[in-house]
Amino acid sequence: AQKVTQAQTEISVVEKEDVTLDCVYETRDTTYYLFWYKQPPSGELVFLIRRNSFDEQNEISGRYSWNFQKSTSSFNFTITASQVVDSAVYFCALTLYSGAGSYQLTFGKGTKLSVIP
Amino acid sequence: DGGITQSPKYLFRKEGQNVTLSCEQNLNHDAMYWYRQDPGQGLRLIYYSQIVNDFQKGDIAEGYSVSREKKESFPLTVTSAQKNPTAFYLCASSPRTSGIPFSYNEQFFGPGTRLTVL
Repeated sequence: AQKVTQAQTEISVVEKEDVTLDCVYETRDTTYYLFWYKQPPSGELVFLIRRNSFDEQNEISGRYSWNFQKSTSSFNFTITASQVVDSAVYFCALTLYSGAGSYQLTFGKGTKLSVIP
Repeated sequence: DGGITQSPKYLFRKEGQNVTLSCEQNLNHDAMYWYRQDPGQGLRLIYYSQIVNDFQKGDIAEGYSVSREKKESFPLTVTSAQKNPTAFYLCASSPRTSGIPFSYNEQFFGPGTRLTVL
């Protein structure tokens, strides 16, 4: 069963538009962490944010903001006034218990964002 | 500069050959990970290691092997038993924070190795 769902496979926006990337997750754990990573065309994943399950405050970092809602199991990511440099694949990820005291990071399939000049 | 290096960036292999992908980190991180990425897919965990001389299988370990003889190094061998090895391979590491699982921490990724089987 898919634990992290990013329903939007690809999104295209015109520069300066706002865009929201959706992430819905599934877990039975009461303590868990959610992440967003950016993968530019170069391939290397870049960490954007980590949020734990007890902190539902929204986060803003420059043009980036995140909306975490436990009631709907969602952790959405909004880019305000998008720029061409925002073009990348964005991954949402969730820590899941994998047995024997270990946890692993489970990724969604990613959303490819294209910002058109 | 601290970071993770993976070599080579591109690798070609003939069917039936084993090949080893290198991953080195100078971040002094305890945990290291190998992921596989296929087009249009998220990352899938192959193996991970939380301490030297110990490692665990991830979701898709069949056809792969690893070693962790040094804290800085976590090489991945793609064996001939791997049915469909053509993919993009990413190595990552994360620090230890006392009292919480490794996976609760941010992972730092290398630039990746693109493996193509001819």
